[in-house]
Amino acid sequence: RKEVEQDPGPFNVPEGATVAFNCTYSNSASQSFFWYRQDCRKEPKLLMSVYSSGNEDGRFTAQLNRASQYISLLIRDSKLSDSATYLCVNLATDSWGKLQFGAGTQVVVTP
Amino acid sequence: NAGVTQTPKFQVLKTGQSMTLQCAQDMNHNSMYWYRQDPGMGLRLIYYSASEGTTDKGEVPNGYNVSRLNKREFSLRLESAAPSQTSVYFCASSEAPLGEQYFGPGTRLTVT
Repeated sequence: RKEVEQDPGPFNVPEGATVAFNCTYSNSASQSFFWYRQDCRKEPKLLMSVYSSGNEDGRFTAQLNRASQYISLLIRDSKLSDSATYLCVNLATDSWGKLQFGAGTQVVVTP
Repeated sequence: NAGVTQTPKFQVLKTGQSMTLQCAQDMNHNSMYWYRQDPGMGLRLIYYSASEGTTDKGEVPNGYNVSRLNKREFSLRLESAAPSQTSVYFCASSEAPLGEQYFGPGTRLTVT
């Protein structure tokens, strides 16, 4: 079983709509969580950190549910430029600096 | 502001050949990492260096070696390339092990 699991998608979203997707993790020692964005054939870039009960950054909201061991990402008022693959990442206290990546969820925003 | 740079961008090797992937960062970060990314697998850590002078194995170290040449540079060596090592390789750095990681543009390696 993968440590971090994501729905690969694609999630096809009309421009201006809201899209949300989850990521589940299996390591109960997971302490820190991140969402990275990866454009096609490019390097991953940090989108948001999720440290406690979640946080919001503009149109993006990340939530953490420790009881059910998942985090979610919600994108409001989707833009064409939001089309990308979103990688769920966690850092466990027993893995010292070693991030565990999900395979990513693809989002396609259409005009 | 270069950030993390990697060379080469593309490489084709024959089975059994060796090569070194180079990575350098100009952000004065202490920690550096090598990942590989395969379709449907997510990024997997090959080796990491918590600080200059130290290196440790990650999830998939077999077939690779690394050198932390100095604080800026962290190289990855394939001694005898195999088709299973066909992948995209990313180098990353962070100020500290628990910090945000910044990635280089990647090296696309094909082993035939």
